[in-house]
Amino acid sequence: NAGVTQTPKFQVLKTGQSMTLQCAQDMNHEYMSWYRQDPGMGLRLIHYSVGAGITDQGEVPNGYNVSRSTTEDFPLRLLSAAPSQTSVYFCASRTHGQGNQPQHFGDGTRLSIL
Amino acid sequence: ILNVEQSPQSLHVQEGDSTNFTCSFPSSNFYALHWYRWETAKSPEALFVMTLNGDEKKKGRISATLNTKEGYSYLYIKGSQPEDSATYLCASVMDSNYQLIWGAGTKLIIKP
Repeated sequence: NAGVTQTPKFQVLKTGQSMTLQCAQDMNHEYMSWYRQDPGMGLRLIHYSVGAGITDQGEVPNGYNVSRSTTEDFPLRLLSAAPSQTSVYFCASRTHGQGNQPQHFGDGTRLSIL
Repeated sequence: ILNVEQSPQSLHVQEGDSTNFTCSFPSSNFYALHWYRWETAKSPEALFVMTLNGDEKKKGRISATLNTKEGYSYLYIKGSQPEDSATYLCASVMDSNYQLIWGAGTKLIIKP
């Protein structure tokens, strides 16, 4: 039972490069989300999706794009990496509902932008 | 964005002692309160999701209570063990948009 799988686990980029962080879940969860975690701060929501074909912005969406073509996959794209995007990124999923179900997290991607 | 606050920020506890810490959240439009345990180099794992005022949940030596009228939840750990060392996160859900608003966490360190 894989749960939520994120790749890569680590990545170093140069300023201006683009890349895609992959996220896949095998639990048939409708709701998926991307967070970034920075020291001394709580998890901050970047983008989320309540189902295939539907995405929406979270608290800190600038500089990131997402798409949800299937229920299983929710990739996060950095269009032109900036040092301020150095962070640990977590993908999470849950059954769609009203927030009374626990979220399942991937193992995270540690991203450094030089 | 309404804040969720956790206190203390960090806590050192002797092995075998019991401890507790607090999550404060906006009481208006409350829908649910989540607790997660986050061990170093791992991903957060759900402990509890609570929705009702006065709710109390327990998992082994860990329990949590909820007061939605005053906007706080306590997490208790009885007889702390080294494997309890982790950051404990809480998140509040409001019924306006059902998004989780996260606290910054309480880092618990158990001293042998």
